[in-house]
Amino acid sequence: DAGVIQSPRHEVTEMGQEVTLRCKPISGHDYLFWYRQTMMRGLELLIYFNNNVPIDDSGMPEDRFSAKMPNASFSTLKIQPSEPRDSAVYFCASSHSGQGTEAFFGQGTRLTVV
Amino acid sequence: AQSVTQPDIHITVSEGASLELRCNYSYGATPYLFWYVQSPGQGLQLLLKYFSGDTLVQGIKGFEAEFKRSQSSFNLRKPSVHWSDAAEYFCAVGARGQGGKLIFGQGTELSVKP
Repeated sequence: DAGVIQSPRHEVTEMGQEVTLRCKPISGHDYLFWYRQTMMRGLELLIYFNNNVPIDDSGMPEDRFSAKMPNASFSTLKIQPSEPRDSAVYFCASSHSGQGTEAFFGQGTRLTVV
Repeated sequence: AQSVTQPDIHITVSEGASLELRCNYSYGATPYLFWYVQSPGQGLQLLLKYFSGDTLVQGIKGFEAEFKRSQSSFNLRKPSVHWSDAAEYFCAVGARGQGGKLIFGQGTELSVKP
């Protein structure tokens, strides 16, 4: 398996624009997680899905953020409108619900909002 | 409150010297514990994990960690550091059956002197 695949790897956008980040989890994994990494706040969980259903979105910072998982092999994280303080590295991770499993992380998307 | 504390923000060791990175956690239930490593511009790679059983766990790249319930600690060790070990190391805690829903520490940046 190719692992968790995120696109794009880098995104530079202007304030006010819509940004969509994409993630393909590992096949067979039933959990998908979106994390954000910043210098100030470190790694924080934004939202996670189980079997394509959002379970906990309490980490989503504002209504400008939304996430979807239309099927088991694809998820998006959208920011509309984007702001400079959204600049961060966004990671997608997936895992299996069986005992003794861990999360596998993608390479991340570095978002810069100017 | 659930939290993970990595007291050392930055550590420098000489190549060939031993290493210990500290991690303390606060978690209401029996925790799953993880150490991840992140090289610059890369995603997070799992070094090792503890779920149950032997409290001394072995990981990749010669790393090991010891779970001490009485001290709420999960310190990472390596007997002899290599220059390629320079990276940022994250300790994380999670719940059983939800291997990717993690609370991360702030990370410890490791520098290796020749």
